[in-house]
Amino acid sequence: NAGVTQTPKFQVLKTGQSMTLQCAQDMNHEYMSWYRQDPGMGLRLIHYSVGAGITDQGEVPNGYNVSRSTTEDFPLRLLSAAPSQTSVYFCASSYSSRGVHHEQFFGPGTRLTVL
Amino acid sequence: DAKTTQPNSMESNEEEPVHLPCNHSTISGTDYIHWYRQLPSQGPEYVIHGLTSNVNNRMASLAIAEDRKSSTLILHRATLRDAAVYYCILRDVMFSGGYNKLIFGAGTRLAVHP
Repeated sequence: NAGVTQTPKFQVLKTGQSMTLQCAQDMNHEYMSWYRQDPGMGLRLIHYSVGAGITDQGEVPNGYNVSRSTTEDFPLRLLSAAPSQTSVYFCASSYSSRGVHHEQFFGPGTRLTVL
Repeated sequence: DAKTTQPNSMESNEEEPVHLPCNHSTISGTDYIHWYRQLPSQGPEYVIHGLTSNVNNRMASLAIAEDRKSSTLILHRATLRDAAVYYCILRDVMFSGGYNKLIFGAGTRLAVHP
């Protein structure tokens, strides 16, 4: 299994540009989520999904959109990039069984710079 | 969400044991204590979790206080590869039809010296 994959690894945008960060997992996990990590800080939840067609907001959703049309993919869209969105973005997936949530598996991250 | 308190940084020598503390005085009865770590330039990875009893796995041990208001992650013999930021996170893992989020703090940065 490839686990959780993210593309691109690095991206530079100009203010106002839009782009989509890709995330895919091949473990058939029902839960997927997007986090951002600013320098010296912990991860903050942007959006998450509990299954195909179902998404919800996390702590810091403004300026980002998500959709989940398949179990495998969970893209994150920046609508109009701002310098405040310069960060490292991590995607994660997890599953539940027998009434218990299991651990999250994280991708390698996308480092985004907005000029 | 119940919060955790960890030291900002700790240091260790290679091949010595490391005890990483975490305080969580407002923990609720169904909160599990999770530990994740983040190696430099990588995404976080799961280390261990527990509810009441001490837990061991191939990566580490988790010692949980009897009143559950604190816990300690134990790395039995630190290696240079264990240099990372370690996050102690409380999470209600019981499935309630929703999504029980992971709330990350700043964690403890562990430096391991040769």
